[in-house]
Amino acid sequence: GEDVEQSLFLSVREGDSSVINCTYTDSSSTYLYWYKQEPGAGLQLLTYIFSNMDMKQDQRLTVLLNKKDKHLSLRIADTQTGDSAIYFCAEKKGGKLIFGQGTELSVKP
Amino acid sequence: EPEVTQTPSHQVTQMGQEVILRCVPISNHLYFYWYRQILGQKVEFLVSFYNNEISEKSEIFDDQFSVERPDGSNFTLKIRSTKLEDSAMYFCATRSEETQYFGPGTRLLVL
Repeated sequence: GEDVEQSLFLSVREGDSSVINCTYTDSSSTYLYWYKQEPGAGLQLLTYIFSNMDMKQDQRLTVLLNKKDKHLSLRIADTQTGDSAIYFCAEKKGGKLIFGQGTELSVKP
Repeated sequence: EPEVTQTPSHQVTQMGQEVILRCVPISNHLYFYWYRQILGQKVEFLVSFYNNEISEKSEIFDDQFSVERPDGSNFTLKIRSTKLEDSAMYFCATRSEETQYFGPGTRLLVL
């Protein structure tokens, strides 16, 4: 199938780390992505990882990839109220992206 | 930084009417996509377009839908006879290397 799964909600306190998890189905996926969607806005690319990598760090963002378990995670360090949004993981299949249903991150002051 | 733009931002139409959604891709990108997001659901792939041809389409993209790039700049999605279930946010995306960049979307409401 073409299912990318994410938990629907995550709530954290400002300053804590957030970890958003995703599982995907296609072991041949070459690239995996994280997008952010703020209310009423489009999809903003946050970061992506190539499948031959285990980890990628970009400032406050760390992506971990466990290819054996088909598990992808996004860690946001020192989470801020401005990080409140819906986070989508996506896998590249052929030329198209297959998205998860999104995780709504709520950051409480 | 170059961005994908879309017009209109919102459109309300009557069932059975035709709508055209417009996208201006980032200038040196060659691959174009349309996705839609029904309220509360996943972002779904509709169609990809390269070299003035459809390169892939989903089962959602039936005969009611068409895409074209009429003037070399705008990339359009036409829905010939809208149905209630076409109400959704429609996103255009363009690709550079392995990254797709999304526009802000057009919210379509079919009454």
